[in-house]
Amino acid sequence: EVQLLESGGGLVQPGGSLRLSCAASGFTFRNYAMSWVRQAPGKGLEWVSLISGSADRTYYADSVKGRFTISRDNSKDTLFLQMNTLRAEDTAVYYCTKLWKLGPEKYYFDYWGHGTLVTVSS
Amino acid sequence: DIQMTQSPSSLSASVGDRVTITCRASQSISNYLNWFQQKPGKAPKLLIYVVSSLQSGVPSRFSGSGSGTDFTLTISSLQPEDFATYYCQQSYSTPITFGQGTRLQIK
Repeated sequence: EVQLLESGGGLVQPGGSLRLSCAASGFTFRNYAMSWVRQAPGKGLEWVSLISGSADRTYYADSVKGRFTISRDNSKDTLFLQMNTLRAEDTAVYYCTKLWKLGPEKYYFDYWGHGTLVTVSS
Repeated sequence: DIQMTQSPSSLSASVGDRVTITCRASQSISNYLNWFQQKPGKAPKLLIYVVSSLQSGVPSRFSGSGSGTDFTLTISSLQPEDFATYYCQQSYSTPITFGQGTRLQIK
């Protein structure tokens, strides 16, 4: 059974940093691209970042480019999101997602974690 | 960026009704269109991928159709557990984008 367990969320001041983790199990982690998707309170879904299985390719939404860094440790089946220079508008539930590859740079989200809440406020 | 627009934004229906939700892309996305269901306080769940393929375990009352820019999600006979918010999502190119969501409520 695929399981994705996020951790690391919490309250942080504007301008601060936070590192999210996602522990994966139930599949061969290194074989799959992974992604982070967020959802602000009462709002819709927003894709944040994606990383290939071998970590040689990464992609970011314009809203987080230059501030967030996605990475993974395939020896520990863990995905990360380093978030720097946080803003109030980054407040959201952050979901870790497993991706199924359809073709070159074409994926869909087939499994989601339960999410971890990040609140940016003074 | 490819914009995804869903209609309606909200919908009231009764158990047993047939419901259709539409999703329009700002440019052709071929068949790279997926649908998700989200219940309050829960993570989204994949229902349909590449327009019409049902994810394992999803009831057959859910179906999808379309191509290019216009797509639909149909629930043939609403069940109580289907009242939720539905999102479409394009996989054609990054940035990956979602529709704004359609909230399906009980009439």
